[in-house]
Amino acid sequence: EVQLVESGGGLVQPGRSLRLSCAASGFTFDDYAMHWVRQAPGKGLEWVSGITWNSGIIGYADSVKGRFTISRDNAKNSLYLQMNSLRAEDTALYYCAKDLGVVGATTDYWGQGTLVTVSS
Amino acid sequence: DIVMTQSPLSLPVIPGEAASISCKSSQSLLHSNGYKYLDWYVQKPGQSPQLLIYLGSNRAYGVPDRFSGSGSGTDFTLKISRVEAEDVGVYYCMQALQTPITFGPGTKVDIK
Repeated sequence: EVQLVESGGGLVQPGRSLRLSCAASGFTFDDYAMHWVRQAPGKGLEWVSGITWNSGIIGYADSVKGRFTISRDNAKNSLYLQMNSLRAEDTALYYCAKDLGVVGATTDYWGQGTLVTVSS
Repeated sequence: DIVMTQSPLSLPVIPGEAASISCKSSQSLLHSNGYKYLDWYVQKPGQSPQLLIYLGSNRAYGVPDRFSGSGSGTDFTLKISRVEAEDVGVYYCMQALQTPITFGPGTKVDIK
């Protein structure tokens, strides 16, 4: 059974940093691209970042480019999101999602999310 | 960036009846490989989003056949042939063609 478990969220002051982690199990992690998607309270879905299986291709939303860094450790079956210079508008539930593995960036499994609150 | 729009944004439905959601993209999602890079997700109350349809018309594993997807390069439709009470939630279309990946604003489906 595919499981994605996010952690690392919490309350942080504007301008500070936070590192999210996603522990993956139930599939061959290094066969698949992975993504981070967020959802602000009461709002829709926003793709944040994606990374291919070998970290060869990485993409970011314009809203986080230059502040967030996605990475993965295939030996540890883990995905990460380093978030620097956090802003109030980064407040959201952050989901880790597994790529389906066909063409495009379709995701087929999502974790339960970890909540990030940016506030003074 | 590719802009995704959906209509309607709210859809009250009667169980047993059909329902339809439209999604439009600001540029074609038809790749030269013939695939249409459009996915549909549903987020049921209190749950994470789940994949319904990928590449325009392919049902994800375990998705009932009352769900179907269709469309051309920029205009797509999700149809539910006979709505059930468990189908309530917010339905999102998403373009999977290029980064940044973008979602539609969502269509809230609830029981009338």
